[in-house]
This record gives sequence, C-alpha cells and structure tokens, in this order.
Amino acid sequence: GAGVSQSPSNKVTEKGKDVELRCDPISGHTALYWYRQSLGQGLEFLIYFQGNSAPDKSGLPSDRFSAERTGGSVSTLTIQRTQQEDSAVYLCASSSPTGVGSPLHFGNGTRLTVT
Amino acid sequence: AQSVTQPDIHITVSEGASLELRCNYSYGATPYLFWYVQSPGQGLQLLLKYFSGDTLVQGIKGFEAEFKRSQSSFNLRKPSVHWSDAAEYFCAVGSTSGTYKYIFGTGTRLKVLA
Repeated sequence: GAGVSQSPSNKVTEKGKDVELRCDPISGHTALYWYRQSLGQGLEFLIYFQGNSAPDKSGLPSDRFSAERTGGSVSTLTIQRTQQEDSAVYLCASSSPTGVGSPLHFGNGTRLTVT
Repeated sequence: AQSVTQPDIHITVSEGASLELRCNYSYGATPYLFWYVQSPGQGLQLLLKYFSGDTLVQGIKGFEAEFKRSQSSFNLRKPSVHWSDAAEYFCAVGSTSGTYKYIFGTGTRLKVLA
C-alpha cells in the first residue's frame, strides 16, 4: 500500500478483555515501531522490530503487552486483561532499512478506549 | 540519556503572523533531528529533518528549522502562519546508541486565530 495501515481505527473494550491491534507497514520497510500516545503526552516508545533481529521490547509497560511481526511485514500488538490506563492512541510507524537517519512513516493510529 | 524538551505546550498565533516552536535536545553526539506534525485524528507527518551540513533546513509547507549546536536547539519556524497549520508539532531525535530509537518531545499544540 501507499502508507502504513492500522486497524481498527477505533476500539472500545471492557476492562479485563484482550485486544489485538494490527499494523501493515510500507512494503520494503524492515523497521517497525509501536508507540503509545496518551492524552496530552508525547509518544511513548513500546517496541521496535528490525528485520529478523530480536525485537527491542524495552518500552513495553508490563507483561500484559506483547507484539509480534510475522514474515517481516504485518505486526500485531496484543494487550491482555486491558486496564483503563491502557486507553490511548497506539501508533505504528515503519522506516526503510538505512537506520536512524531514515524518517518514520506513521499510520493514523488505533484509538483504544477501555471502559 | 537522550531527551527532547518542547517547553511550550500550547501556542496561539494569529493567521499571517510568524511562528517559532522551540525544541531542545540532550544528546552526546551530533544528533539526527526531526520535526513532525500531527493533525487531528491523523498520524505524524514528517516536516523536515537535519543530519549534517547546512544548519538551516527547509521542509514542507513553508517550514524551516535551524540547528544550533551551542544551544542544543532545533527550533521550527514559519514566516506566515496559515489557519491550516493548526495542529500538534513534535520534535524528535534519532538515537544511534543501542537499537535505533526515536525520542519524541511532548509536543506543542498550535492554535491559529483567524
């Protein structure tokens, strides 16, 4: 596709339920990032995938959060037993394989509301 | 540790007025610096980037930014603001230590008065 695609665009879930958020990066981009954006906050780094290397999970806030990237393309962020503080916009971004000098291309995000 | 500070949470300017958004960074080497814009309900879009060379960089939508090493700053400017520039603006630094990470500031929300 032309850009980074995220689905769903909005998700409302009850506290305690599990949710899956999907990201389809730009074709050929080997780097993929997940960020969380809470109201009035900046972007909080969650996890980073680069090619076939082990992901950098250092930003995941708890063990309820996990992510995988299948076939080096589509990524899924899973939040188990959701809590109200998980409510935020979850942004996915991808970049070309030339490293940190490559700008990030963002999707429009998934707005998660936990009731 | 690397960090990015955007000291202004909100800025309001009149349409046609000039604009400067501040960004200060903390980084041990020459940083990769970026400015992104986020319109409501959208992801972030790259405005401009600085890697090396000329310290004044031009971006899209008439924006420019100046890298000042002595002040650890990378301020975003526009000579004449348009109502469509109302959005949130994020400064970011690319970190080459460890895995590649982009560290973002907390953003500056711009309001434009007609």
